[in-house]
Amino acid sequence: DGGITQSPKYLFRKEGQNVTLSCEQNLNHDAMYWYRQDPGQGLRLIYYSQIVNDFQKGDIAEGYSVSREKKESFPLTVTSAQKNPTAFYLCASSTGQGWGYGYTFGSGTRLTVV
Amino acid sequence: KQEVTQIPAALSVPEGENLVLNCSFTDSAIYNLQWFRQDPGKGLTSLLLIQSSQREQTSGRLNASLDKSSGRSTLYIAASQPGDSATYLCAVREGGAGSYQLTFGKGTKLSVIP
Repeated sequence: DGGITQSPKYLFRKEGQNVTLSCEQNLNHDAMYWYRQDPGQGLRLIYYSQIVNDFQKGDIAEGYSVSREKKESFPLTVTSAQKNPTAFYLCASSTGQGWGYGYTFGSGTRLTVV
Repeated sequence: KQEVTQIPAALSVPEGENLVLNCSFTDSAIYNLQWFRQDPGKGLTSLLLIQSSQREQTSGRLNASLDKSSGRSTLYIAASQPGDSATYLCAVREGGAGSYQLTFGKGTKLSVIP
């Protein structure tokens, strides 16, 4: 079945550590996205990528980095510069052709700073 | 900047009741609107996608309507069941620069009481 796989489901980060969240899709979608979800704030866009080797900052990119070396993969690194990284992180994808198509989301990674 | 509002923030109904969830958006220049369901600690599951040229979409007991000119959408759930308990999110996709971005409401938390 086609879908988006996020791993790990839970992740713990120590202060000053960089951690990487994995996102893989087998939907042959061109575009991929990372959102952050905090209680009471809704979903906010971190980064998005429309094609391989290209990505754009979203509303809250500071302290995060991404890469898009393969169409199927869009990993997110939470760096030590992100001062409040505890949140639920969601990866999504959509076709890049035609605005009429919807988004597909993964099951999320919960990141906690310890 | 597009803003999406969902009212009410929480709703509790007895099993079997029909109910309506509301979503409003400030900029009517959208390409589509998508309704999602989110269970606690899980990712988003797409329920219905309405193109900007459409007035409504139906899937089983769910019916979503769109009035683009007034900036409103409703999600109608017929004969509610305890399994419908979840948070429902609406999101709009705009055109132009940054058009890959979805703007989300903060959601309506639905509880269906057996």
